[in-house]
Amino acid sequence: AQSVAQPEDQVNVAEGNPLTVKCTYSVSGNPYLFWYVQYPNRGLQFLLKYITGDNLVKGSYGFEAEFNKSQTSFHLKKPSALVSDSALYFCAVRWMNTGFQKLVFGTGTRLLVSP
Amino acid sequence: GAVVSQHPSRVICKSGTSVKIECRSLDFQATTMFWYRQFPKQSLMLMATSNEGSKATYEQGVEKDKFLINHASLTLSTLTVTSAHPEDSSFYICSARPGTTSSYEQYFGPGTRLTVT
Repeated sequence: AQSVAQPEDQVNVAEGNPLTVKCTYSVSGNPYLFWYVQYPNRGLQFLLKYITGDNLVKGSYGFEAEFNKSQTSFHLKKPSALVSDSALYFCAVRWMNTGFQKLVFGTGTRLLVSP
Repeated sequence: GAVVSQHPSRVICKSGTSVKIECRSLDFQATTMFWYRQFPKQSLMLMATSNEGSKATYEQGVEKDKFLINHASLTLSTLTVTSAHPEDSSFYICSARPGTTSSYEQYFGPGTRLTVT
């Protein structure tokens, strides 16, 4: 079965500093990887995805992620954090089973950006 | 584009009653819709996958008779929590996958917070 792991429950960073939110994956076959962000009492917003091609994927709100096959990682990054980036971030992998496709989510990482 | 709405955003009901939550894709046709449940400070757990016009596929451990899912049209899916109990209190999020674009695109609704008293 496909799975993703987010080893950090929370990441703290000062505004203006670079941020990294970690994600590692375990899949059979080619991985389809995603990052979503969730603000309080809201649904998930899509940030970016890796399907194939360039290992560095650029997404919404200045976020990017680097696919690293040898380390089975897909860390989310941003060069300069904003206070408004404070939210809950989920890494996800697409799983295909008996013809159905579904997203399997990590446990989430809370990002706290301090002024 | 690609907006998914949910109604209601919040609902409080008494134990033993049923609650219906609607999920609509506003500007696209969704051949597949998903229902998730999220407990406080936890990840999203997939409850079921529904394809328009067919029965929903439930994840292991999810009671089909308790969580009734109907995907009657390409823009509407409903989740009915029957005979609700306090342990059903949770944040329910739906998601929709367009039928005309890449199959990996999935758009999420804003969620419905259910409180059972």
